[in-house]
Amino acid sequence: QQQVKQSPQSLIVQKGGISIINCAYENTAFDYFPWYQQFPGKGPALLIAIRPDVSEKKEGRFTISFNKSAKQFSLHIMDSQPGDSATYFCAARGTSNTGKLIFGQGTTLQVKP
Amino acid sequence: DTAVSQTPKYLVTQMGNDKSIKCEQNLGHDTMYWYKQDSKKFLKIMFSYNNKELIINETVPNRFSPKSPDKAHLNLHINSLELGDSAVYFCASSQVPASYEQYFGPGTRLTVT
Repeated sequence: QQQVKQSPQSLIVQKGGISIINCAYENTAFDYFPWYQQFPGKGPALLIAIRPDVSEKKEGRFTISFNKSAKQFSLHIMDSQPGDSATYFCAARGTSNTGKLIFGQGTTLQVKP
Repeated sequence: DTAVSQTPKYLVTQMGNDKSIKCEQNLGHDTMYWYKQDSKKFLKIMFSYNNKELIINETVPNRFSPKSPDKAHLNLHINSLELGDSAVYFCASSQVPASYEQYFGPGTRLTVT
């Protein structure tokens, strides 16, 4: 069964701190691992994505770390800002020709000023 | 210049009624999706169409029927609404099938009373 498990469910971080969200998957038939950001009342939006043959990808303050052998990946938000307060979803794309995204359960991040 | 738009944004209806949600994208994408986000924010794919052809049909009650009149539009019709159908429904699009980069609409919050 294709699953992506995400933790923690919620996270409170002080402004300037590092936010870390973790995900683990159980099926190796995934070939891309995107992260989506969702603000209240809005649809999710792609934040950053990584392939399993890359161990780390950085875009600005956002970094994905990927551990293929452990089937785990994580999102690090450096210098967290109140504007980063949102729900974050990790996802995994299946390798079938339909390539559907399997989403994690989401992490609600609150960055306190 | 909204990329993916949905109507209505809110939908309140009684059990047993039939309702439709409409989605339009002006990105020129070939693929469109319907997702359901439950009260715990869990996001799950329901359907996907590529150029008007159904390519993903998840385990969804057959009371839900998607229709794609052209590749820029994807509608969702729901018959005999039940309390458990209450959720936020998101439409999304991507340039091609199996893309991890999907563009989500603002969502339609459906409340069944």
